[in-house]
Formats: sequence, C-alpha cells, structure tokens
Amino acid sequence: DTGVSQDPRHKITKRGQNVTFRCDPISEHNRLYWYRQTLGQGPEFLTYFQNEAQLEKSRLLSDRFSAERPKGSFSTLEIQRTEQGDSAMYLCASRGQGAYGYTFGSGTRLTVV
Amino acid sequence: AQKVTQAQTEISVVEKEDVTLDCVYETRDTTYYLFWYKQPPSGELVFLIRRNSFDEQNEISGRYSWNFQKSTSSFNFTITASQVVDSAVYFCALSGVGNAGNMLTFGGGTRLMVKP
Repeated sequence: DTGVSQDPRHKITKRGQNVTFRCDPISEHNRLYWYRQTLGQGPEFLTYFQNEAQLEKSRLLSDRFSAERPKGSFSTLEIQRTEQGDSAMYLCASRGQGAYGYTFGSGTRLTVV
Repeated sequence: AQKVTQAQTEISVVEKEDVTLDCVYETRDTTYYLFWYKQPPSGELVFLIRRNSFDEQNEISGRYSWNFQKSTSSFNFTITASQVVDSAVYFCALSGVGNAGNMLTFGGGTRLMVKP
C-alpha cells in the first residue's frame, strides 16, 4: 500500500491548451474521487467513480472537463481549452468498501498562464 | 443542501497552548458523517476522524479531542499542548450516508500556526 499517487505534481500550461492528470488509487479501493481546491478554500467535489462507472458529477464539471477510469484502476482527468479560472489544486482520493476515511493524494497543482 | 462553516480562517498560538477549532454544519439529512482532515504544507489531506451523527460521545485520541453537539450543529476540534508540527490547515467536512455518502462537503479551513 503506497497510498494514492498523482502525476504530475505541478503543471504550468498556456491558456487554451489541453491538460491531463493521472491518479493511481490504493489498489484494493473500488471508489475514486476527484476534488478541486482553489487557494484559501476547501476542496470541492468534482466527480466519483465506483469501479469503472462514473456515478456522480458536480455542476462544477463543465463540458471542458472529462474523467475516465478504464478497467476500474487508475483514473485520468482531462481539461480541454484551459482557462485561467482552472488554476487550482486537483486532488484525487480513494476509498475501500466500508472504509472510514477517504485517502487523498498530494494533488496536481495546475497553473494556467 | 449541505454546508460547513469554519469561521476561524487563521489561528496563531504559542507552543504548549491549547487550541480549539470550530466547525458548524448544516444538513437536512437525519443521518450523516462528520470528518476532520489535516492539510500540511505538502498538500496531502490527512484523515483524522469520522463521527456518525448517532454518536454524540466526545472522543479523545492523544492530544486531540472532538466535541460533537447535535443541538448546536457543531463538531469542534481541540488540540491540547500544541506543538509546532501541528501547524497546518484543518478542514471539517460532512457527508451523507450510503449512496449519499459519496461526496464530502468541506468547510473553508482554519490555518493553525504554532510558534515555538
């Protein structure tokens, strides 16, 4: 158990470019979550997967955002045509069946210039 | 709709002082979970505790204690004899139960600075 891994840790991109982040959850965890955290704020829920099925999506997840979890293992979060307002920390978390807490990764910090 | 309010945005204490972080929540659910997470400078959210709304017993874990009062919709967190390593941002969060338990609603966080 090496925890939840996120890659990259930091990403700087120009406005209008596409970016993709990866999350590797704890291997036996079937539930995976994406959150976004802007500076000085608490994390906000984006989306949730149970195995490979995306079961919930926040209204925050505009059409430019898409998330996948093929085969119920790692997940990717893609942002198309990035905007400066997308600059934030993107956090991934996983949780096993019946587990108490959510295990979070260290996040990917996105800066759109 | 669920809401979590942490009115204290920043607290500064001197090492060995006790400090209480306040958390007030709103929910229409009759059963729910409350959480506290710690976010050190490295950015990773560290799970501290989960409480079920049925269980109003106070809990103590080492220097940490939690006071859950359903009557005032509060779930406060006290650190006794604070240490420099306690410096972090602390988040209170709320979720539903079962299928409604797949989304955490976080408060805005309280930045705790413990000075030597």
